[in-house]
Amino acid sequence: DIQMTQSPSPLSASVGDRVTITCQASQDIGNHLNWYQQKPGKAPKLLIYDASNLEVGVPSRFSGSGSGTYFTFTISSLQPDDIATYYCQQYNNVRRTFGPGTTVDFK
Amino acid sequence: QVQLVESGGGVVQSGRSLRLSCAASGFTFSFYGMHWVRQAPGKGLEWVAVIWYDGGIKYYADSVKGRFTISRDNSKNTLYLQMNSLRAEDTAVYYCARWGGSDIVEKLDYWGQGTLVAVSS
Repeated sequence: DIQMTQSPSPLSASVGDRVTITCQASQDIGNHLNWYQQKPGKAPKLLIYDASNLEVGVPSRFSGSGSGTYFTFTISSLQPDDIATYYCQQYNNVRRTFGPGTTVDFK
Repeated sequence: QVQLVESGGGVVQSGRSLRLSCAASGFTFSFYGMHWVRQAPGKGLEWVAVIWYDGGIKYYADSVKGRFTISRDNSKNTLYLQMNSLRAEDTAVYYCARWGGSDIVEKLDYWGQGTLVAVSS
């Protein structure tokens, strides 16, 4: 199976900060990577698909990049509503896997 | 609008079985693959299983292979997860999610609210 790692975790930042999370795959997954946001007690929400494509309705302050084994997820200006846990997920292998998650909170 | 509603969770003894259901509405269910994803209390997301739109192809996480079976009834717009030989480590909230995108771009674009399965020893 493909193993996914994320860093940092947790991540503390201030409103307006630029926040970047990295996700690494144990083998080449091309651009077959998605990013999800999850708030406590809620289902995950898709933000970015295929490494860099913004899902419809998601604010443009969210972005993703990368390919192969190294990916980044960025919030250009952190807002109070962005406090959540963020997961990367690969779908290059028939057995999909999620990263361990990065919890973003306020300093 | 797209809705996915899970049901069937509850408290069950170790070694017993449980079947989860996911009722879909607001889209043509038979056109979409579907996934089950779980989350143990206080832990991260774990992918469980996927089924193709027609039920012809299925894959499982190693942790559940041989014990869990994913299936669907397109005439009833319902996805299932049959869970046998349950273990304490299967305790989690179970989510169903729709495989959006296309054959080559897979995104879990809609999720249910989840159903809690608690396995007691």
